[in-house]
Amino acid sequence: AQSVAQPEDQVNVAEGNPLTVKCTYSVSGNPYLFWYVQYPNRGLQFLLKYITGDNLVKGSYGFEAEFNKSQTSFHLKKPSALVSDSALYFCAVRDLDNFNKFYFGSGTKLNVKP
Amino acid sequence: NAGVTQTPKFRVLKTGQSMTLLCAQDMNHEYMYWYRQDPGMGLRLIHYSVGEGTTAKGEVPDGYNVSRLKKQNFLLGLESAAPSQTSVYFCASSLSWNQPQHFGDGTRLSIL
Repeated sequence: AQSVAQPEDQVNVAEGNPLTVKCTYSVSGNPYLFWYVQYPNRGLQFLLKYITGDNLVKGSYGFEAEFNKSQTSFHLKKPSALVSDSALYFCAVRDLDNFNKFYFGSGTKLNVKP
Repeated sequence: NAGVTQTPKFRVLKTGQSMTLLCAQDMNHEYMYWYRQDPGMGLRLIHYSVGEGTTAKGEVPDGYNVSRLKKQNFLLGLESAAPSQTSVYFCASSLSWNQPQHFGDGTRLSIL
């Protein structure tokens, strides 16, 4: 079955420390991967995407993500966390061989403490 | 810059009532989507549209209908609301299939 897994419901990190939010995917074809962020009572906002090319993708607000085909992962990272990064983060995948299928992970709540 | 606008923002219905959620986008996007967000389950695609006059089923279409009579609008209908349809509904749009989706702020729907 095609899906996206975010194994951590919550990630806690101190301000200034690096952060990682994990995502693994399973699709039958080539993946097209996204990260979105959701602040309270708001819709999702696009952070970054990977379709092809360099495995390290840079996005908005200093976030980046690394595509690892062998591990079928697309982890979100930031070198130095800010309190304002606290939000709900969603990984999503589209199967390029069946591009109308689009799946979101269950979300990871990031808490950045001062 | 309105982007994607959803109306209403909140609604409480009784079981069996019907209602329509409206989504409007001003970005001339071809693709539009309706999702529901439930705790611990992320977003699940209900229906989507790849252009004016077209609609297609997503992952959880049962109990919902949609229409895309105008390019800028995508309507989600509940013909006979059930408590299991209590959720937060998000509309999104994108320029094409490989472009990021832009989301509205959601409609919080409670069915008693």
